[in-house]
Amino acid sequence: DGGITQSPKYLFRKEGQNVTLSCEQNLNHDAMYWYRQDPGQGLRLIYYSQIVNDFQKGDIAEGYSVSREKKESFPLTVTSAQKNPTAFYLCASSKGQNSNQPQHFGDGTRLSIL
Amino acid sequence: GESVGLHLPTLSVQEGDNSIINCAYSNSASDYFIWYKQESGKGPQFIIDIRSNMDKRQGQRVTVLLNKTVKHLSLQIAATQPGDSAVYFCAENYSGGGADGLTFGKGTHLIIQP
Repeated sequence: DGGITQSPKYLFRKEGQNVTLSCEQNLNHDAMYWYRQDPGQGLRLIYYSQIVNDFQKGDIAEGYSVSREKKESFPLTVTSAQKNPTAFYLCASSKGQNSNQPQHFGDGTRLSIL
Repeated sequence: GESVGLHLPTLSVQEGDNSIINCAYSNSASDYFIWYKQESGKGPQFIIDIRSNMDKRQGQRVTVLLNKTVKHLSLQIAATQPGDSAVYFCAENYSGGGADGLTFGKGTHLIIQP
């Protein structure tokens, strides 16, 4: 089935550690996005990519990094510089920029601090 | 357990009744709107979308109404079922804006009473 796969479902980070969240899609979508969701808040955009080998900062990019080496994959690294990383992280994809198409989401990764 | 519904507006309805969930959007130039459903511990699921050249669109048991004059969007769910319990949120997009895609609302927690 076509869709977006995020892994792992749960992740724990130690102090000073970088962790990487995986996001893979087989929908042949050009655009991919990473969001952070905190309780009682809407989705906040971390990074987005409209095409392979290109990505842009969203509203809350500090403490995060991404890469887009393949169309299917858009991993997110939560670095030690992110002081409040505990959240639910959602990856999404869509057909393309400014095309007024829905974004399709994975089932998220919940990151917690040990 | 995991919840994305903490501190959100809550709508409680009896099973079998109709539900109406409202959303006020921010950008008068937005020309595309989506409703998503998010169950606890899962990613948002696309329900229905509407473009600004329409004021009503119907799907299976759902209807979206758009009032551009007052920047208001609503989702009507007919004959509400227990499986409809979730957080519902709207998203908007302006196709002439940046490539960062949708802007999401904070959501409403729909609770179905037996």
